[in-house]
Amino acid sequence: GENVEQHPSTLSVQEGDSAVIKCTYSDSASNYFPWYKQELGKRPQLIIDIRSNVGEKKDQRIAVTLNKTAKHFSLHITETQPEDSAVYFCAASIGWGKLQFGAGTQVVVTP
Amino acid sequence: DADVTQTPRNRITKTGKRIMLECSQTKGHDRMYWYRQDPGLGLRLIYYSFDVKDINKGEISDGYSVSRQAQAKFSLSLESAIPNQTALYFCATSEGGKGEQYFGPGTRLTVT
Repeated sequence: GENVEQHPSTLSVQEGDSAVIKCTYSDSASNYFPWYKQELGKRPQLIIDIRSNVGEKKDQRIAVTLNKTAKHFSLHITETQPEDSAVYFCAASIGWGKLQFGAGTQVVVTP
Repeated sequence: DADVTQTPRNRITKTGKRIMLECSQTKGHDRMYWYRQDPGLGLRLIYYSFDVKDINKGEISDGYSVSRQAQAKFSLSLESAIPNQTALYFCATSEGGKGEQYFGPGTRLTVT
């Protein structure tokens, strides 16, 4: 089955700097790649997603890039703010079926 | 998201006890999922259901069972709880043909 690896496991950045989280997947048939954000004590929520027919997608300060050949995708957060502190999960699926999640990245934004 | 609810929100139980976690949704979605979250391991899929008559095992189904009582309800049971089932459990829903999953608030389960 699908296997998703996520790095780094923790990321500390200064407010205003950029943060990048990388994920790799194993199944070349995967074609849907969402990113979820989980604030402390709360439920995961979708922040951005990308399908395999698109190489990059942006939404204000966040962007996701996909390299199908290398089977990896990345989340980029620019101009980080304290409210970006959270755990971020990448995931992959075939079609819109079940998701295989990465282990998560704890992002800490320090003022 | 208030449209996906879970009961109970917290539960402490003893080894060997049977316990049921319940999930209800008012989003009208056909697909429902149960995950467990452990520190450093992310969200791991226990069971999923794409409609009322469709139940599938996820990657860690051993020791768990589920029931899809209606489109809006999906329950997770631990027949004989053990301490390594201590975790945070999330229910999620999605609409067929669309990727986004909507999570419930979670149930923190402790097995002593």
